[in-house]
Amino acid sequence: AQSVTQPDIHITVSEGASLELRCNYSYGATPYLFWYVQSPGQGLQLLLKYFSGDTLVQGIKGFEAEFKRSQSSFNLRKPSVHWSDAAEYFCAVGLILTGGGNKLTFGTGTQLKVEL
Amino acid sequence: EAEVAQSPRYKITEKSQAVAFWCDPISGHATLYWYRQILGQGPELLVQFQDESVVDDSQLPKDRFSAERLKGVDSTLKIQPAELGDSAMYLCASSPDRPYEQYFGPGTRLTVT
Repeated sequence: AQSVTQPDIHITVSEGASLELRCNYSYGATPYLFWYVQSPGQGLQLLLKYFSGDTLVQGIKGFEAEFKRSQSSFNLRKPSVHWSDAAEYFCAVGLILTGGGNKLTFGTGTQLKVEL
Repeated sequence: EAEVAQSPRYKITEKSQAVAFWCDPISGHATLYWYRQILGQGPELLVQFQDESVVDDSQLPKDRFSAERLKGVDSTLKIQPAELGDSAMYLCASSPDRPYEQYFGPGTRLTVT
C-alpha cells in the first residue's frame, strides 16, 4: 500500500529565507506526486504535481519540487518565503484506479510559520 | 475560474442527530471524492464516485455514513446518527478523467456536541 511521510510537523522560517519541506513516499511503481497547501479553515489548493518527465517541477506561487526516485522523495522548495505562505502543506501520492479517478494518500502535513 | 462548491460551511449538531453535506463538483468532472480531515491530520478518503457509481468506499463507516451521486453530478454525504468522533472537516473534491489532479472545495466543518 502507498504511504507518505512528512517528517517535519512544524517549521518556522524568516520572511525572505529559503524553504524546503520534506516528503518521502512508499509506492510500488512510478508514483504520481502532489503538493497541496491549506490555509486555516479552508480547502486544499494544488501547488504542483509530478506525473513523469522532468524531475524538477514548477508550481504556483513560486514553489518547485524535485522528484528523486533513489531517495523516494519529493521535497518542496521556495527560494524566498513570503509572510502569506504561512499555512499547512500536504504531500500526497496518487494511485490511478482502473475504474477511473485517482486515489490520493496524504501525509500528515507540515505547518509552516513565517516570522516577519 | 470554476470551483467545487460545498454547503454548509459550518455545522453544529448534537450526538445521535442526522446531518447531511452537499457538494457540487466542477462542471464536467466525472470523478468526485469525499474526504474526512481530523484536526492535525491529512485528509482521508471516505468514498469515491465515477459518474454515479461508487469506485471505492472501503473507508466509509457504512453503519452510519451514506453517500450518493444520483445523476452523476452533485453529491450528498449523510451521517446518521452522528457521534462525537465525527467532528472533523469534510472535504469534497473532483477531478477530470485526465490528468487526474483533484480540486478541493472549501469544506464543511462539523462539530458534534
